Amino acid sequence: GESVGLHLPTLSVQEGDNSIINCAYSNSASDYFIWYKQESGKGPQFIIDIRSNMDKRQGQRVTVLLNKTVKHLSLQIAATQPGDSAVYFCAEISGFQKLVFGTGTRLLVSP
Amino acid sequence: SQTIHQWPATLVQPVGSPLSLECTVEGTSNPNLYWYRQAAGRGLQLLFYSVGIGQISSEVPQNLSASRPQDRQFILSSKKLLLSDSGFYLCAWSVVPLSGANVLTFGAGSRLTVL
Repeated sequence: GESVGLHLPTLSVQEGDNSIINCAYSNSASDYFIWYKQESGKGPQFIIDIRSNMDKRQGQRVTVLLNKTVKHLSLQIAATQPGDSAVYFCAEISGFQKLVFGTGTRLLVSP
Repeated sequence: SQTIHQWPATLVQPVGSPLSLECTVEGTSNPNLYWYRQAAGRGLQLLFYSVGIGQISSEVPQNLSASRPQDRQFILSSKKLLLSDSGFYLCAWSVVPLSGANVLTFGAGSRLTVL
């Protein structure tokens, strides 16, 4: 479910490292899961999505893994760059017309 | 191509004053429209969504209301603002039905500070 009242957890990494951001979801009936990136003062931007009948999907430098058994979603960013610093949100399609966001994670990349 | 406009970008209002935030979408027809709120350092909370003109679904009880007077226009309002209404308000649109890649496209946001 939504955890909009919690302070954002933070992940700090060095430039060039791989980053793994995790997310737990609640609705086992969700069809799609999406990752968004939100830079400071801006609206979230789509990164990658995965359908519930898949367990892995790769994009450019990003990979999303879905474990339906434990209702867990992760976003892996390869060779993290300073421009990757942002807040990352997972989201699930809940019901017919709603996108519900999970607790975000703040990624800090040090040069 | 589709674009989404949201204004004003920033707003400082006294407690008890009214509010009107506006959002318009170009380049698409009959979109789903959404209002989200984000408190400082927090996640995104869905406030309202609309699947058509005059059709508004409210997700949480609150001091705010939404209206959709035209197909591509979504307005967030309040008659009397509270301090707790401060936050970053995001409008978003999607195609129907909601699924697949690029499910939601967000506007740039409106930062509201209630003093």
